[in-house]
Amino acid sequence: DAMVIQNPRYQVTQFGKPVTLSCSQTLNHNVMYWYQQKSSQAPKLLFHYYDKDFNNEADTPDNFQSRRPNTSFCFLDIRSPGLGDAAMYLCATSRTGGRNTEAFFGQGTRLTVV
Amino acid sequence: QQPVQSPQAVILREGEDAVINCSSSKALYSVHWYRQKHGEAPVFLMILLKGGEQKGHDKISASFNEKKQQSSLYLTASQLSYSGTYFCGTEDSGGYQKVTFGTGTKLQVIP
Repeated sequence: DAMVIQNPRYQVTQFGKPVTLSCSQTLNHNVMYWYQQKSSQAPKLLFHYYDKDFNNEADTPDNFQSRRPNTSFCFLDIRSPGLGDAAMYLCATSRTGGRNTEAFFGQGTRLTVV
Repeated sequence: QQPVQSPQAVILREGEDAVINCSSSKALYSVHWYRQKHGEAPVFLMILLKGGEQKGHDKISASFNEKKQQSSLYLTASQLSYSGTYFCGTEDSGGYQKVTFGTGTKLQVIP
């Protein structure tokens, strides 16, 4: 029944070693988001896709990249993780228009950088 | 720019009421409310579209004043299960949608 699935749930990576987080959805939603959430803070939007259109937030570091090869899948690539990138990464989806535009979240990937 | 929520934190006894406010500097298309428990993903509570609507779900309701770019979440007769951090999420009225989360309000309900 899971609708937005993130893998892995927990990821440990070495300082500077590239890492990829994945997200898949069965909702066929056209919008997908990546948020970063640090302890006791609000989720911070990194990017979102509107269909294939990629939208980068102005303050998202260049170290973070994203790919969306099709409607169902989205990836977050961190090219050279630093200690400050340790956080929960949340993937969410929504659809545009109408009254039902709420975001559905995956369970998140908790990233630890050692 | 991130919507601002108030209060930042509140402690309630079971059965008491609370109001959480969300204020944006931008014209809004919609306001969402989410609750997040520690270590879990945010869970959707309700959405309000422009038009000044109000909504209710059990003992949780919300209002949206689009002229003031503000929304309020009302929790009545609070239960222990209401504990968590509440976030408003806003979609602005220009361009296509993206949900920007507010600063958050930590709510703790004690027996």
